[in-house]
Amino acid sequence: QKEVEQNSGPLSVPEGAIASLNCTYSDRVSQSFFWYRQYSGKSPELIMSIYSNGDKEDGRFTAQLNKASQYVSLLIRDSQPSDSATYLCAVKDSGNTPLVFGKGTRLSVIA
Amino acid sequence: DVKVTQSSRYLVKRTGEKVFLECVQDMDHENMFWYRQDPGLGLRLIYFSYDVKMKEKGDIPEGYSVSREKKERFSLILESASTNQTSMYLCASKGPLSGELFFGEGSRLTVL
Repeated sequence: QKEVEQNSGPLSVPEGAIASLNCTYSDRVSQSFFWYRQYSGKSPELIMSIYSNGDKEDGRFTAQLNKASQYVSLLIRDSQPSDSATYLCAVKDSGNTPLVFGKGTRLSVIA
Repeated sequence: DVKVTQSSRYLVKRTGEKVFLECVQDMDHENMFWYRQDPGLGLRLIYFSYDVKMKEKGDIPEGYSVSREKKERFSLILESASTNQTSMYLCASKGPLSGELFFGEGSRLTVL
């Protein structure tokens, strides 16, 4: 059974700080990695994808991947109260297989 | 914009009733999925479909079935609802990019 592990939180950070969200996965053949954001009462939406080792930046968001350590992270710079949500990590292996989701980390940005 | 529409936002059913949850997407996506989401358990995959009339079991298919007669429509069926099926049900379709799922607004089902 493929597993994706996340700390459930809540992770509380002050406004303007860097929020660091972490995820580990069990299946070494995983090739694609994603972060979804889910606001309370809403559905998940894709915010970042990363496929190769290293960093990928998109605005205030940076995804980091270390396949040797089976570790993915999401950094949110200059955190805003509007970033308060649950962040879901998801991984995928090759082919037409479904995503495997972690249970999510709840982030709270305090103004 | 991609639109995934779930027919009912809130349903209340009795134990033993048959329940249909409908999902329609307007982007001609081939892959569609049904998840349930429960506090502390995250998103769990029930069934998915790669094409019309095709279906694959996910992680928790017991007590559920699905139907995909048309490409745009993917239905989840609870043949005999039970209280442990009280949950939020989320439908999704997969876009052209790997891992890109578009979710519907969800159907909150309560089984009494």
